[in-house]
Amino acid sequence: AQTVTQSQPEMSVQEAETVTLSCTYDTSENNYYLFWYKQPPSRQMILVIRQEAYKQQNATENRFSVNFQKAAKSFSLKISDSQLGDTAMYFCAFMNREYGNKLVFGAGTILRVKS
Amino acid sequence: GAVVSQHPSRVICKSGTSVKIECRSLDFQATTMFWYRQFPKQSLMLMATSNEGSKATYEQGVEKDKFLINHASLTLSTLTVTSAHPEDSSFYICSAGQSRASYNEQFFGPGTRLTVL
Repeated sequence: AQTVTQSQPEMSVQEAETVTLSCTYDTSENNYYLFWYKQPPSRQMILVIRQEAYKQQNATENRFSVNFQKAAKSFSLKISDSQLGDTAMYFCAFMNREYGNKLVFGAGTILRVKS
Repeated sequence: GAVVSQHPSRVICKSGTSVKIECRSLDFQATTMFWYRQFPKQSLMLMATSNEGSKATYEQGVEKDKFLINHASLTLSTLTVTSAHPEDSSFYICSAGQSRASYNEQFFGPGTRLTVL
């Protein structure tokens, strides 16, 4: 069974600084997808970034980038130039076709950006 | 991007009554929809997967007779909480899947807060 672990329940960062959220996963599959979702206080789930496991290049989306280490089964999210609007719960998630394309979520990390 | 709506956004009901939550994909057809439950400050727990025109597949531990799911069209899935009790109070989120080349991208609704008195 696939599992996703986020070991940081809560984190805080000063505005304009950089923060890294950790995520590890366990799977025996070779082809899969990894995601980071953001859930702000409105509770609307928002896709932040997606990584295909077969791609070695780390995905980036503006201020958001990942460090994907396939052998180590690690998928961390780096947020640069943190903004107050980045305050949210962040979920790491795993998906693969053999598991019916269902998302497996980690427990989440609450990120607070302080002014 | 793809938009998914949920109705109602919040509902309060009395214990013993049934509540229906609708999930609609507004600008795309979703062959698969997913229903999640989320407690405060916790992760999303997948309850069931529904495919248009067929019976829903429930995750282990989810009572299919309590949480009735209907996916009658490619744009609408409904979750009915039957004979609701206070322990069913929670935040319910749906997502609609849109097929990509090799995976099913999920777009999430805004959620429904259910309170059972």
